[in-house]
Amino acid sequence: NAGVTQTPKFQVLKTGQSMTLQCAQDMNHEYMSWYRQDPGMGLRLIHYSVGAGITDQGEVPNGYNVSRLKKQNFLLGLESAAPSQTSVYFCASSYTGGSGANVLTFGAGSRLTVL
Amino acid sequence: GQNIDQPTEMTATEGAIVQINCTYQTSGFNGLFWYQQHAGEAPTFLSYNVLDGLEEKGRFSSFLSRSKGYSYLLLKELQMKDSASYLCAVMDSNYQLIWGAGTKLIIKP
Repeated sequence: NAGVTQTPKFQVLKTGQSMTLQCAQDMNHEYMSWYRQDPGMGLRLIHYSVGAGITDQGEVPNGYNVSRLKKQNFLLGLESAAPSQTSVYFCASSYTGGSGANVLTFGAGSRLTVL
Repeated sequence: GQNIDQPTEMTATEGAIVQINCTYQTSGFNGLFWYQQHAGEAPTFLSYNVLDGLEEKGRFSSFLSRSKGYSYLLLKELQMKDSASYLCAVMDSNYQLIWGAGTKLIIKP
């Protein structure tokens, strides 16, 4: 069981470059999300999806776009990277988003550095 | 605004007991989660509380008081592998998770 797989694990970008972080889950989860984790701060939700073709903004969506064409895949795009986007990014999924006991399964993380 | 507070860092001795506190102020409440995160790794689920009281799961227990906006995670018989960050998260009225910054727990022999 792979669970949630993120690629790449590490990436260095120059300011203004674009890239896509990929996330795949094999648990048939409906809900998928992207978080960023910065030192001294809690996980912050960037975008989330409650099903294929349905996406919505989280707490910090500016500078990011997402795509969920298939249920098992959720892509996070940075159109024009900025140093403020240097962070560790986590993809997380669960069966549903709109219920209380909604346990998230996280990917291993992608460490992004923007120079 | 919504806020989750936890101590930044705690130190404890192997074999001992430690209590990690979490206080919260959120727009509504639909449950409180504790996750464990080892350095450089993904968070993993530890516990979920939605009703007041204590939930026990092996060496780990989690307590909730909704009236006080307070929870704690109790770790017994500490082992070196328990050295990690412990994240408290509250699900608000919109079923969105609000995360604390985490408590880094250092276990000394």
